[in-house]
Amino acid sequence: DTGVSQNPRHKITKRGQNVTFRCDPISEHNRLYWYRQTLGQGPEFLTYFQNEAQLEKSRLLSDRFSAERPKGSFSTLEIQRTEQGDSAMYLCASRDMNTEAFFGQGTRLTVV
Amino acid sequence: SQQGEEDPQALSIQEGENATMNCSYKTSINNLQWYRQNSGRGLVHLILIRSNEREKHSGRLRVTLDTSKKSSSLLITASRAADTASYFCATGGSWGKLQFGAGTQVVVTP
Repeated sequence: DTGVSQNPRHKITKRGQNVTFRCDPISEHNRLYWYRQTLGQGPEFLTYFQNEAQLEKSRLLSDRFSAERPKGSFSTLEIQRTEQGDSAMYLCASRDMNTEAFFGQGTRLTVV
Repeated sequence: SQQGEEDPQALSIQEGENATMNCSYKTSINNLQWYRQNSGRGLVHLILIRSNEREKHSGRLRVTLDTSKKSSSLLITASRAADTASYFCATGGSWGKLQFGAGTQVVVTP
């Protein structure tokens, strides 16, 4: 297992376009988290999955954001009608009950 | 909203010196964790200290926790250029989600 994998690493998109990011967690981890990090700040929690169930969403996750984890393995985060304020690093993390969180390298989104 | 606040925001030291950074938090915790982030990369877990612990060591890292003051400190001894990174404290919330501070940016010059 090579750890948490996120794709793409970088995404540049025009305002108004839709984007989708993918996260492949460590295979035996049933807990998966998405965070957003803007420049000079710490990561902020977006949403949490336990297996395929989305159990918590932050108020940061507006209606334009949707996340799925259809089979309890990989997860996708989609942003519709992107805005410049969506430019950030999107981080995925996974863990099981007895471990710390392992983070992926992140997807850096730039909305132009 | 950020749970923790790190101090200082930035720290510049020379190789071999010690680096100390502090974290204050707002609510009661079960544990507090420290993470490192190299520029533009993901976060790496460094150490976890539980609320009933006062001090913990891991290699060149020493973490203290004072729950009465709602504060923690991270000490990196004998720093190396490879320690150049941002360091974040994080407290655990419901479902194991983490609430991070804004971080301390550490630069270690040879």
